Amino acid sequence: AQTVTQSQPEMSVQEAETVTLSCTYDTSESDYYLFWYKQPPSRQMILVIRQEAYKQQNATENRFSVNFQKAAKSFSLKISDSQLGDAAMYFCAYISGNTPLVFGKGTRLSVIA
Amino acid sequence: DAGVIQSPRHEVTEMGQEVTLRCKPISGHNSLFWYRQTMMRGLELLIYFNNNVPIDDSGMPEDRFSAKMPNASFSTLKIQPSEPRDSAVYFCASSLSWGGYGYTFGSGTRLTVV
Repeated sequence: AQTVTQSQPEMSVQEAETVTLSCTYDTSESDYYLFWYKQPPSRQMILVIRQEAYKQQNATENRFSVNFQKAAKSFSLKISDSQLGDAAMYFCAYISGNTPLVFGKGTRLSVIA
Repeated sequence: DAGVIQSPRHEVTEMGQEVTLRCKPISGHNSLFWYRQTMMRGLELLIYFNNNVPIDDSGMPEDRFSAKMPNASFSTLKIQPSEPRDSAVYFCASSLSWGGYGYTFGSGTRLTVV
């Protein structure tokens, strides 16, 4: 079964600094998709960024970018110029074929003013 | 589109009572998912539907849990009888069938069973 591991339960970053959240996954598939979701205190699950496994180019959405290392099965999220509104739980997730979205346990990010 | 709509947002009930959670998916999405979120277990998939048909309910914890999707625009998750350990946030999500663009989540129902 596919698994997603987030090894950092909690992280903190100074406002305006850069932080990287780690994620690894286990799969035998060659075609799949990876995601980062943000869950602020409002508990709404918000899709932050998406990566297609067959694309070598790392996805970028404004201040959010990923470092996708397919051979290493690693998918980290970099947040640049961190803002107070970035404080949230961040979940890494994986999907392939007919397998539903599988989530990691999450990383709680605090932003220090 | 208003997104995935869940109701109620909060539910407090007494142990032994029946609880029904409701979900309206995004129009045009043909897959629907029910997740449960707790501190201890994180996000767990309970059941999912494709074209209103239940595909996999292996995540449903017990026979006390049941889910239906009578049409493309409505689904329910029912717990009968409820127990304190069912206290959690329950999310409904929908997607285009293959899910490659991710799922759109509702705002969740926080269930407290006392």
